Amino acid sequence: AQSVSQHNHHVILSEAASLELGCNYSYGGTVNLFWYVQYPGQHLQLLLKYFSGDPLVKGIKGFEAEFIKSKFSFNLRKPSVQWSDTAEYFCAVLGGSQGNLIFGKGTKLSVKP
Amino acid sequence: GAVVSQHPSRVICKSGTSVKIECRSLDFQATTMFWYRQFPKQSLMLMATSNEGSKATYEQGVEKDKFLINHASLTLSTLTVTSAHPEDSSFYICSAQPELAGDPPFSYNEQFFGPGTRLTVL
Repeated sequence: AQSVSQHNHHVILSEAASLELGCNYSYGGTVNLFWYVQYPGQHLQLLLKYFSGDPLVKGIKGFEAEFIKSKFSFNLRKPSVQWSDTAEYFCAVLGGSQGNLIFGKGTKLSVKP
Repeated sequence: GAVVSQHPSRVICKSGTSVKIECRSLDFQATTMFWYRQFPKQSLMLMATSNEGSKATYEQGVEKDKFLINHASLTLSTLTVTSAHPEDSSFYICSAQPELAGDPPFSYNEQFFGPGTRLTVL
């Protein structure tokens, strides 16, 4: 079965630092990949998604992710983080038998002002 | 954008009681709703898939008689935790998948999440 792994449980950065959060999925073929963000006390929001085409996907709030098929990876990046980016980030793949999303365990990002 | 609400946001109950959680799509019709469960420091795990007008499909290991799901309309799905026990304490999140046709158009397979319900069973 498809699975998603996120390598970092908790990342702490200072403002203006660059961010990269790792995400790997378990097997290939056609994949639909997502990054969601969950701000404290709020619901999951879609940051960006990859279905096909350009493997470099740009999302909201200055985030981007690169799909590298050979590495089964879909890492999330942001050149310069802000304090307001403090949140939990979830990578997900569309791969369940019911058309559901399969999530990674999430990475908590703390940005120090 | 599409909005999904959940009610209640937080509930504390005694062991042995039943708790109902509602998931509503506020500005779109959802033929499919998903119920996830999230333990601390764990990923969201799918519990069941709810389709309007038909029986829910449960994931392996999820007791359908304990977690009753009703998707009575295109905008409402409910999850009832029956005879709750402390081990049922968790964060329950629903998501709704819009019909592909309709106004406004939605991207294929996009799901919209509710804010979650924190259940604590004493």
